[in-house]
Amino acid sequence: EAQVTQNPRYLITVTGKKLTVTCSQNMNHEYMSWYRQDPGLGLRQIYYSMNVEVTDKGDVPEGYKVSRKEKRNFPLILESPSPNQTSLYFCASSLSNNAYEQYFGPGTRLTVT
Amino acid sequence: GEDVEQSLFLSVREGDSSVINCTYTDSSSTYLYWYKQEPGAGLQLLTYIFSNMDMKQDQRLTVLLNKKDKHLSLRIADTQTGDSAIYFCASGSYIPTFGRGTSLIVHP
Repeated sequence: EAQVTQNPRYLITVTGKKLTVTCSQNMNHEYMSWYRQDPGLGLRQIYYSMNVEVTDKGDVPEGYKVSRKEKRNFPLILESPSPNQTSLYFCASSLSNNAYEQYFGPGTRLTVT
Repeated sequence: GEDVEQSLFLSVREGDSSVINCTYTDSSSTYLYWYKQEPGAGLQLLTYIFSNMDMKQDQRLTVLLNKKDKHLSLRIADTQTGDSAIYFCASGSYIPTFGRGTSLIVHP
């Protein structure tokens, strides 16, 4: 089954404790991205990647890192999480950066206390 | 940067039509999209329209595009309780810009 998976689905952590949210897709998609969703603000793009070893900042990259060592994986790293990073995070992938459909993962709800 | 605006809430009675409106600023968008997010789930592409079209119909869904006014709408005919969700408008030919989402509430 074609899908985008994220882990963990839920995470509660404390300020400053490094964490990684994994994202994996099995569709051989070139393009992957991370979004955060906050009430009243909709979806905001954090980082995106157009292919292996190619990453770029989205609209709200501060406090986040990503890597794209393999085509299928695009982990999101929070080196020192802060409470303002409490949010719902979505990973997405598409065949290319101009493909009309993005496939979204199920989301990761992160709470930083 | 590009901006996509949509109202935050819409409440309709079951069986009525719902119309969700959206305005965008990126006149070079090749595609305009509507995504649906059900509770606790990720976004799923509902429908899309090419920028050279002005209407697209797909069963109960009708998308209207007014390129001159940069206005996009999604009409859902015979709205059902299962249509309750957040609907996101998005525009772009490169990396899509999403609106804030419209929560559609369908009541009996």
